[in-house]
Amino acid sequence: DVKVTQSSRYLVKRTGEKVFLECVQDMDHENMFWYRQDPGLGLRLIYFSYDVKMKEKGDIPEGYSVSREKKERFSLILESASTNQTSMYLCASSLMANTDTQYFGPGTRLTVL
Amino acid sequence: AQSVSQHNHHVILSEAASLELGCNYSYGGTVNLFWYVQYPGQHLQLLLKYFSGDPLVKGIKGFEAEFIKSKFSFNLRKPSVQWSDTAEYFCAVNARRDDKIIFGKGTRLHILP
Repeated sequence: DVKVTQSSRYLVKRTGEKVFLECVQDMDHENMFWYRQDPGLGLRLIYFSYDVKMKEKGDIPEGYSVSREKKERFSLILESASTNQTSMYLCASSLMANTDTQYFGPGTRLTVL
Repeated sequence: AQSVSQHNHHVILSEAASLELGCNYSYGGTVNLFWYVQYPGQHLQLLLKYFSGDPLVKGIKGFEAEFIKSKFSFNLRKPSVQWSDTAEYFCAVNARRDDKIIFGKGTRLHILP
């Protein structure tokens, strides 16, 4: 079974802090994704990566950056957290192409005070 | 730009009722279509997908969906729901010439025992 893990289930940070969300997958998948999930808005793509050190902006990249130094790990960075970034963050990975089935992690619920 | 519309935000049904959740997308070219489900407290997971071939697709747990190209629709159905089907359901679409999968806003399904 594919396993996608995220470093924290719950996280509370203060406005202006730098926040790191980590995601690791164990199935040698090429593609990794970061989404945020908000009630009534569904899933919105923040960034995705189709290879090590490669990244592409999604639909809402503002205020976020990403890092992919190793194939199995994809990090989401909030350079200066703001209250409107309070959300559920989901990481996903897929095998061959961006259109393949995506496997999701459990999510990190981030609260920014 | 692609978009995905899920008609119902909340659906409440009694056990054994039939279910149909609507999904429409806006893109005129070739698409890949998905339904994902998120059970309470669990990861988002794939329910079924359509890439090509028979437009009636069967998924896990007795769910099926029908791709109707002329209507730009991919509705999810189940003839008799169970209490354990209580979850949030997301329709997702990928235009094959694009890198991204676009998710709908989700439908919360609540099954009364």
